[in-house]
Amino acid sequence: EVQLVESGGGLIQPGGSLRLSCAASGFTVSSNHMSWVRQAPGKGLEWVSVIYSGGATYYADSVKGRFTISRDNSKNTMYVQMNSLRADDTALYYCARDGGYDGSGDRLHLFRYWGQGTPVTVSS
Amino acid sequence: DIVMTQSPDSLAVSLGETATINCKSSQSVLYSSNNKNSLAWYQQKPGQPPKVLIYWASTRESGVPDRFSGSGSGTDFTLTISSLQAEDVAVYYCQQYYSTPYTFGQGTKLEIK
Repeated sequence: EVQLVESGGGLIQPGGSLRLSCAASGFTVSSNHMSWVRQAPGKGLEWVSVIYSGGATYYADSVKGRFTISRDNSKNTMYVQMNSLRADDTALYYCARDGGYDGSGDRLHLFRYWGQGTPVTVSS
Repeated sequence: DIVMTQSPDSLAVSLGETATINCKSSQSVLYSSNNKNSLAWYQQKPGQPPKVLIYWASTRESGVPDRFSGSGSGTDFTLTISSLQAEDVAVYYCQQYYSTPYTFGQGTKLEIK
């Protein structure tokens, strides 16, 4: 069974740093495309970053230069290092796994599996 | 970036009736290589992460009731929920996975009338 468990969230002052973790089970992180998606209180979903199975990484403009996504294959865990945090980074941060391949062999770059999220509050 | 715009922002539908949610992308999300639209629909209930309902614009995810259907191509897409049930109350999002940054619509809140 695929499981994703986020941790590392909390209350942090503006300008501070946090590292979120996403521990995976039931599959191999390095063989899948893994993303962070966030949801500000009462708001919609915002994709933050992806690390592809091949290692390439991409970021939303809103976090580029401040967030770094990575993974530890030995721990089957994905991370996001968040620096220079701002009030508008306050959100529930979800990790999500892509959909793998469909029956035709096409990659599904959507978010099929989700964790329960870890909350990040940036406030003084 | 591809901007996804949903309409309406909210709607109220009677039990047993049909709900229709629209999603428009600022550019086509049709892959020429496989002739598939890189568009997914999600359902999010309070306190839960989103759940995939539809992918490739019209393919139902395993285990999703057949009252949920998706249609459209290019830039205009529709999620239709027929025979609305109480458990369908949720916020629905469309999302394009054609290119990064992957983007979501703003969400449509579905309630029972």
